[in-house]
Amino acid sequence: AQKITQTQPGMFVQEKEAVTLDCTYDTSDPSYGLFWYKQPSSGEMIFLIYQGSYDQQNATEGRYSLNFQKARKSANLVISASQLGDSAMYFCAMREGGLNDYKLSFGAGTTVTVRA
Amino acid sequence: DTAVSQTPKYLVTQMGNDKSIKCEQNLGHDTMYWYKQDSKKFLKIMFSYNNKELIINETVPNRFSPKSPDKAHLNLHINSLELGDSAVYFCASSHTAGQGYGYTFGSGTRLTVV
Repeated sequence: AQKITQTQPGMFVQEKEAVTLDCTYDTSDPSYGLFWYKQPSSGEMIFLIYQGSYDQQNATEGRYSLNFQKARKSANLVISASQLGDSAMYFCAMREGGLNDYKLSFGAGTTVTVRA
Repeated sequence: DTAVSQTPKYLVTQMGNDKSIKCEQNLGHDTMYWYKQDSKKFLKIMFSYNNKELIINETVPNRFSPKSPDKAHLNLHINSLELGDSAVYFCASSHTAGQGYGYTFGSGTRLTVV
């Protein structure tokens, strides 16, 4: 079964507007971590933001915020004030406990294109 | 100083050849990984090593053999390359102490088998 689901293959957003990237996850482990990574066209994987399952507040990192809804098992990424440099592929990922602590499970990714 | 460095960045080779990709991290992490990103950009774990010990082998063909001489290095050797092996291979590293530690990825090796 897919552990991470990203249902939006591609999105367009106008420069300076906000965009929300959806991510739902599936785990029975009470302790887990959720991550977002950015992959620009140059190919490198850039860590953006982290949310722990026990964190009471939503994570924020600059223009990135994570809308964590534990009961719904969703961890959406919000990018505020989009910039042209935000055009990239975005991956949601999860790290669980036990043997699954030794791997990140990734979603299929969402391609974001920022228009001037 | 590059945190996770992998070489080479590009690799073009013929079917049937054997090739290696090297990875080194200077972050003091105790776990290293190989991920494969296919043509649809899907990232899938191949191997995880913790302190030189193989922890995860995610149903990867025997033609792929990882080797970790120490916890800062994880190499990937591929025998008898096939067209389907064409992909981007990422090395990554992390701590294992808790899920709060994310991965740091290398810049990737684009392997093309012709």
